[in-house]
Amino acid sequence: RKEVEQDPGPFNVPEGATVAFNCTYSNSASQSFFWYRQDCRKEPKLLMSVYSSGNEDGRFTAQLNRASQYISLLIRDSKLSDSATYLCVVYSGTYKYIFGTGTRLKVLA
Amino acid sequence: GAGVSQTPSNKVTEKGKYVELRCDPISGHTALYWYRQSLGQGPEFLIYFQGTGAADDSGLPNDRFFAVRPEGSVSTLKIQRTERGDSAVYLCASSLNPGRNRPNEQFFGPGTRLTVL
Repeated sequence: RKEVEQDPGPFNVPEGATVAFNCTYSNSASQSFFWYRQDCRKEPKLLMSVYSSGNEDGRFTAQLNRASQYISLLIRDSKLSDSATYLCVVYSGTYKYIFGTGTRLKVLA
Repeated sequence: GAGVSQTPSNKVTEKGKYVELRCDPISGHTALYWYRQSLGQGPEFLIYFQGTGAADDSGLPNDRFFAVRPEGSVSTLKIQRTERGDSAVYLCASSLNPGRNRPNEQFFGPGTRLTVL
């Protein structure tokens, strides 16, 4: 089993839709979680950190479920500019960041 | 201020050749990471430097791969006897010193796209 698993997608959604991605992790001792965004042929950039019970930033909401060992990312009112790959990242506590394969999102006009 | 820079942006080489990839982190960032990203995959951890020393090189796939950071700033990833399977984007990231349960944001460079023919 991979340490961090994501549905690769693609998720094709119309503008204005709400879309949610899940990410599961295998190490129950993991403490810190992140969502990064990666545009095509570009480097990953931090979108949100997910520390305790989750957090919200504008149209984006990240949540953590420790009991089931998953984190989620919810995007409301999708924009064309949200089209990208969303990478789930788990910090193992031994200075190592483990990335998922990413979930591709395409927002359609 | 300047972000993480990587050179070259693209490198095409022949199987069996030696290559060096350079990373210039953000000034003051003591932590430096190398990752490899293949098409359709997330970044795969290769090696982590804290200052000049390699604190964790468990992600290096084999002994053809080696990385140095002699002065605690610029790092070079070296690949000997390149193989076609080494073709990927090699990403470098830097951050402030991470604590055991207190990670800091990683800032990525644009990557070096390596193609081994």
